[in-house]
Amino acid sequence: GAVVSQHPSWVICKSGTSVKIECRSLDFQATTMFWYRQFPKQSLMLMATSNEGSKATYEQGVEKDKFLINHASLTLSTLTVTSAHPEDSSFYICSARDPALGQYFGAGTRLSVL
Amino acid sequence: SQQGEEDPQALSIQEGENATMNCSYKTSINNLQWYRQNSGRGLVHLILIRSNEREKHSGRLRVTLDTSKKSSSLLITASRAADTASYFCATINQAGTALIFGKGTTLSVSS
Repeated sequence: GAVVSQHPSWVICKSGTSVKIECRSLDFQATTMFWYRQFPKQSLMLMATSNEGSKATYEQGVEKDKFLINHASLTLSTLTVTSAHPEDSSFYICSARDPALGQYFGAGTRLSVL
Repeated sequence: SQQGEEDPQALSIQEGENATMNCSYKTSINNLQWYRQNSGRGLVHLILIRSNEREKHSGRLRVTLDTSKKSSSLLITASRAADTASYFCATINQAGTALIFGKGTTLSVSS
């Protein structure tokens, strides 16, 4: 099946700093990628949908200025959590869509903001 | 936003027993998918059932779909300790672009 690589798998940062998470589709081109957030013992919540070469579409309640998404190529999308605060600590999961095969998920990034 | 609800939220069983999880959704669908997530890990795709299918099997997994009731169930037979995980159903959002997940059922299988 298709492979989606997400990096880093775990990051700790100080409050007020920015953190970038990368999501790559390794063996297919993904015109659409998705970012989800998952708090402990909760489900995955869709944050935004990013289309290659255009602005991301954010779900209601997600601050676009805080969660910057860049989808500059067909194989790479990045999520930058700007000025991170402890309440941003969460598990972030990216996903990429292969039009023929479906939607595939990265292994997730655990963000801990101190 | 979340598409639906799973029940139960948590389920504890002994090895060898069967585990049944239910999922309800709100909008019309083309298909419904089930995923597993081990604690703190990524998602594993289990099975997809199309809207014109009523039942589907894959190994020890049996999925049913009732579109009239907007519900689906996942049955894991002869459960093993390794089945301990959270299980989520997922459908496509109204925009037709992204998977939306239910709240999930946390399954604990003790040996």
